[in-house]
Amino acid sequence: NAGVTQTPKFRILKIGQSMTLQCTQDMNHNYMYWYRQDPGMGLKLIYYSVGAGITDKGEVPNGYNVSRSTTEDFPLRLELAAPSQTSVYFCASGLKDRRGGEQFFGPGTRLTVL
Amino acid sequence: KNEVEQSPQNLTAQEGEFITINCSYSVGISALHWLQQHPGGGIVSLFMLSSGKKKHGRLIATINIQEKHSSLHITASHPRDSAVYICAVNSGGGADGLTFGKGTHLIIQP
Repeated sequence: NAGVTQTPKFRILKIGQSMTLQCTQDMNHNYMYWYRQDPGMGLKLIYYSVGAGITDKGEVPNGYNVSRSTTEDFPLRLELAAPSQTSVYFCASGLKDRRGGEQFFGPGTRLTVL
Repeated sequence: KNEVEQSPQNLTAQEGEFITINCSYSVGISALHWLQQHPGGGIVSLFMLSSGKKKHGRLIATINIQEKHSSLHITASHPRDSAVYICAVNSGGGADGLTFGKGTHLIIQP
């Protein structure tokens, strides 16, 4: 199993450009998450999905959109990139039991908006 | 909203020392996670626990639900343990995305 994969690893965008961060998992997990990690701060939840066709906002959703057409894929879309979106983005997937559930993280995408 | 605090923020120790990293949270949880982030950036799950104690190799994690506190211990520390250690909690609600502490940056010197 490849686990959780993310592309690209690095990207530089100009202000106002758009892009999609790709995330794929091959563990048949229903739950998938997008987090961002800013220097000196804890990771924050952007969006999550509990299964194909179902998504919802997390703590910091503004400026982002997601879709979940399949169990495997959970892309994150930035429509009009802003410098405040410079961050490292992590996708994660997991199963959920009554305690919460372990999450498996992708390698991250380092995004710079100039 | 749960607040997760870790201490210390930075820790430098000599090889072989016993290491303790602490985590406290403000609201009751269903589970607490300890994660490791290496300089390359990848994040790996070390432990998920909801009570008591877990051990894996030289790593030990404990949690006290009443005191809302958890500790991660590393015995016989080694330079390869150098990483950022992150505490995170499941607080319930929604799909139960994690709430994270800011991490503890650990450096083990030879």
